Order: sequence, then structure tokens, then C-alpha cells
Amino acid sequence: DAKTTQPPSMDCAEGRAANLPCNHSTISGNEYVYWYRQIHSQGPQYIIHGLKNNETNEMASLIITEDRKSSTLILPHATLRDTAVYYCIAANTGNQFYFGTGTSLTVIP
Amino acid sequence: GAVVSQHPSWVICKSGTSVKIECRSLDFQATTMFWYRQFPKQSLMLMATSNEGSKATYEQGVEKDKFLINHASLTLSTLTVTSAHPEDSSFYICSARNLGETQYFGPGTRLLVL
Repeated sequence: DAKTTQPPSMDCAEGRAANLPCNHSTISGNEYVYWYRQIHSQGPQYIIHGLKNNETNEMASLIITEDRKSSTLILPHATLRDTAVYYCIAANTGNQFYFGTGTSLTVIP
Repeated sequence: GAVVSQHPSWVICKSGTSVKIECRSLDFQATTMFWYRQFPKQSLMLMATSNEGSKATYEQGVEKDKFLINHASLTLSTLTVTSAHPEDSSFYICSARNLGETQYFGPGTRLLVL
């Protein structure tokens, strides 16, 4: 699985969009980009995943660059409950996930 | 999304005893289940991959005789920590996946070995 790199921490004002970047420059053609988040002392929560095209669901949007070497998770209107550690993972659908250190997002009132 | 449960949510045991943790997929059949361990302020570390009806595949450095994994049905996997010691105290998390689908995680089990 491709290694991913994320900033260790970010702040975002409540109500604003939170844009979380992820680099995955060694991603292979059949590896998806997955995003999960982990609120303190809970199991990770699935957010979204994509292969090439941008994706949107009720939680977030995922923007993948054309060369697929990086992506951005967008939380359109961050709330205090979005404070969590966000993990970006590049993996085949059938393969194991290896978690990096993620980005600790703090939403500020 | 799909629901995965774990039981118990927390457990305290004496050193030398064995502890069993259950992971269930409640609304889908999980052909594969994964077990992770997470120490304070660290990321999740994959311990093993378990396919229904097969022996688990352990990650390098994880002792298979200490962490026994059983995946006897499409909705249940168990992790048994044998002869637990204080250094095994951690947050244990399972995930489950059906063929070609993404992984869904359980809420985790906090183990404290005294």
C-alpha cells in the first residue's frame, strides 16, 4: 500500500470549511484513497473514498488531483463535533489498511 | 453505514489471565475481519487479518500464540489475549469488510491488565 503524508494538526473555525490535505505520491493505479476519522476513545468512522473522480456524500467531499498524487478532504461547514483525528489511507479494496499518524483537526468555536 | 460491534467495551484483568474480545458485524456478512491495537497518543497498528474459515495472517512482530484469532462465522471474530501482562494493556479495535467493500470499524475494547 502507498504511504500517505498528512499535516499533524490543523485548526478550523466553526462553520467554515475544513480542508484536510493528504499526499500519496506513490499511489498505484488500482489503489483507492480512503478517509476515516477517529474521535477520542472511539473506533474509526468511515467518511468517504474514491479512485479517480471527486466524490461527495452527506459527510464530506473528496477531491483527488488528476495525477492522483494528492487529495483533499473537505468538510463544508465544520462543527465542534468534527474535532477528531483524520486518517488518509491509500489501499486496494481487498487489502489491509496501514494507518499513518493522521491530522488532528480542532474546530474552534 | 454498516455496523460493527465489540464486546466487552472495556475489561480489567489480572496479569496471567486470558481475555476474549468479540467482534460482530451486525447487518452484513464479513468475509474478512481485521484486528488493530492502539496505544495512547499513537495511531492504529494492524495486528492480523482474519478470513472466515481460514487461519489468521499476523503482521510481523505480533505473536500468534499470544493473540489467538478465530473467525468461525461470517459475522463473528474473536481475539483472545492469552496470559495477558500489563504491557498488553491497550485499545483493541476490530474492523469488518465484505467482498470488495470498505472496512467498517467497531467501537473498540479497552483492556487494562493489572
